[in-house]
Amino acid sequence: GAVVSQHPSWVICKSGTSVKIECRSLDFQATTMFWYRQFPKQSLMLMATSNEGSKATYEQGVEKDKFLINHASLTLSTLTVTSAHPEDSSFYICSARDAAGGGMETQYFGPGTRLLVL
Amino acid sequence: GQNIDQPTEMTATEGAIVQINCTYQTSGFNGLFWYQQHAGEAPTFLSYNVLDGLEEKGRFSSFLSRSKGYSYLLLKELQMKDSASYLCAVMDSNYQLIWGAGTKLIIKP
Repeated sequence: GAVVSQHPSWVICKSGTSVKIECRSLDFQATTMFWYRQFPKQSLMLMATSNEGSKATYEQGVEKDKFLINHASLTLSTLTVTSAHPEDSSFYICSARDAAGGGMETQYFGPGTRLLVL
Repeated sequence: GQNIDQPTEMTATEGAIVQINCTYQTSGFNGLFWYQQHAGEAPTFLSYNVLDGLEEKGRFSSFLSRSKGYSYLLLKELQMKDSASYLCAVMDSNYQLIWGAGTKLIIKP
């Protein structure tokens, strides 16, 4: 089956630093990748939709200058949390839609990145 | 507005059957998904329904009624490893996934 990887899986950083999270589709090409955030005991919240070669589309309330998304290739999207603060501590999950897939179910999730900002 | 409703928590006994309901109101409909999410992990795909009826996959089945805006996930022969959150998500007319808050399923021996 299709695999999506995320790196790192865990990151602890000091307040004010920037953190980059990578999302890769390992065995398929993804024209569209999605970035989610999930706080404890809450559902997934879509942050932005990332399309290869174009600017990401951010959901209402998500600061695009704080959460920088780059989808430079068909297999890689990155999310950079700039000047992270403790309230940014969360579980960040990416998913990727298979460019060749015809079915709606062809959206695969990465394992997630847990961010803790001290 | 768009809305997905599912129970917050359910408890069931090992070996039994449990049904997790999901009702939705969305702008357009391009299919309904069920995902399983264990604590601290990302969701994993369980099922996808776009037409009315029941889809069976081993111990798990998913049902959809588009006219009623209703779906359920049926889990049979429950095992302890089925303890997880179950997320209902609907793909709207813009092909965006609208997520429910998830149902935490607790399995007791």
